[in-house]
Amino acid sequence: DIQLTQSPSFLSASVGDRVTITCRASQGIDYYLAWYQQKPGKAPKLLISSASSLQSGVPSTFSGSGSGTEFTLTISSLKPEDFATYYCQQLHSYPITFGQGTRLEIK
Amino acid sequence: EVQLVESGGGLVQPGGSLRLSCAASGFTFSNYEMNWFRQAPGKGLEWISYISISGTTIYDADSVKGRFTISRDNAKNSLYLQMNSLRDEDTAVYYCAREEPMVGFDPWGQGTLVTVSS
Repeated sequence: DIQLTQSPSFLSASVGDRVTITCRASQGIDYYLAWYQQKPGKAPKLLISSASSLQSGVPSTFSGSGSGTEFTLTISSLKPEDFATYYCQQLHSYPITFGQGTRLEIK
Repeated sequence: EVQLVESGGGLVQPGGSLRLSCAASGFTFSNYEMNWFRQAPGKGLEWISYISISGTTIYDADSVKGRFTISRDNAKNSLYLQMNSLRDEDTAVYYCAREEPMVGFDPWGQGTLVTVSS
């Protein structure tokens, strides 16, 4: 199985800050990586697919990059509604696996 | 509106069974592969089962293999998860999600809570 390691697990930041979350895969997954946002009590929401493709309706303050084994999700200027938990997910092969999540909280 | 709605969750004793349903609307269900995921309380996301468009190809996570069975009825725009031999560790919110192969899962249903407890 492909393991995904996200860092950090917890991030405290302020509105307007720029933050970056990293996701490392245990083996190469090309660009078959997605990022999700999840708010308490809600289903995950797909933000970015294929490592860097922003989904329709997702603000341009979100961006993704990387390929192979190292990927990043960047939020260029945090808004209050961005405080949530973020997960990376690999779609290279089954079993589909997720990173452990990064909880982004307001400082 | 593209929508998935799960139902069938509830409280069940260890060793018991439960059948979850996922009703799809707003898109051509028979054109999409589907999956089930779950999230234990306070924990991360876990993929548990995949089914192909025709239903002939199925993948299961090791954690549920031999106990859970995914199925679909394209005529009824519905996805199912038959859960047998339930354990305490199966307690979670269960989500169905539409797959875009190699791209991601969107949308997800709102989730249905399964609690396994005596």
